[in-house]
Amino acid sequence: ETGVTQTPRHLVMGMTNKKSLKCEQHLGHNAMYWYKQSAKKPLELMFVYNFKEQTENNSVPSRFSPECPNSSHLFLHLHTLQPEDSALYLCASSQDISGNTIYFGEGSWLTVV
Amino acid sequence: ELKVEQNPLFLSMQEGKNYTIYCNYSTTSDRLYWYRQDPGKSLESLFVLLSNGAVKQEGRLMASLDTKARLSTLHITAAVHDLSATYFCAVGAPIQGAQKLVFGQGTRLTINP
Repeated sequence: ETGVTQTPRHLVMGMTNKKSLKCEQHLGHNAMYWYKQSAKKPLELMFVYNFKEQTENNSVPSRFSPECPNSSHLFLHLHTLQPEDSALYLCASSQDISGNTIYFGEGSWLTVV
Repeated sequence: ELKVEQNPLFLSMQEGKNYTIYCNYSTTSDRLYWYRQDPGKSLESLFVLLSNGAVKQEGRLMASLDTKARLSTLHITAAVHDLSATYFCAVGAPIQGAQKLVFGQGTRLTINP
C-alpha cells in the first residue's frame, strides 16, 4: 500500500465509449502524474500536475483528457480510444523536487475493444 | 532528449549467484531511481540516489550512482527466488515543483533454484 489509490483496477471499453480513471493520494503531496505502460514501449509520462496546475503534457492525443480538481485527486477522461491505447495506466504522486520518492498506484488495466 | 538504457533486458540466474544490472543515461542528472515491478503489479520504490558516488543498500540489493559516467548499477548479492521481478531505473528531471521520470526499458530478472 503506497497511499496512492486508483480505480477502477480493470476497465474494458469500446472505441465509442467515454470513461474515466480516478486516482487519489493520501500522502499530502503536491504533484500528481499519469504514466502509461504498454507492452511495446518503456513507461512513459503523460501528464504532470503541480498544485492542481498542469505543468507537462507529453504530446498526448486529445482523446486523453486529464483533470485535477485538487492536489489529492487526479482523473484521466477517456473518449474514442483506439485498441492501441490498451495499456496499464499508472498514477503517481510526489512532494516537491528535493528527490523524494515518487509513489505509484496499483494501476488501471485498460482494454479497448 | 534524455534517454535511459538498461542492460541486460533479460537475466536468468541461479540462486546464490551475484549479478549487476546497468543503467546508462544520456544527459546530466543527479536523481536516479530504481523500482521493482512484479507481474500484474505496480512499481515499488527501491532506491533514490541523489548525488555522485551515492550508494544505498537494502538486503541483497545495492545501488550506486556515478553522475560523471552517467551510470547507475543495481547489484544483486547471493540471489534468492523472491527477487525475481522486473527492475526499472529512471532518471529524474525537475519540472516546476514536480519530477519527471524517464524510464529505462526494464530488466526482467528470473532467479532459478
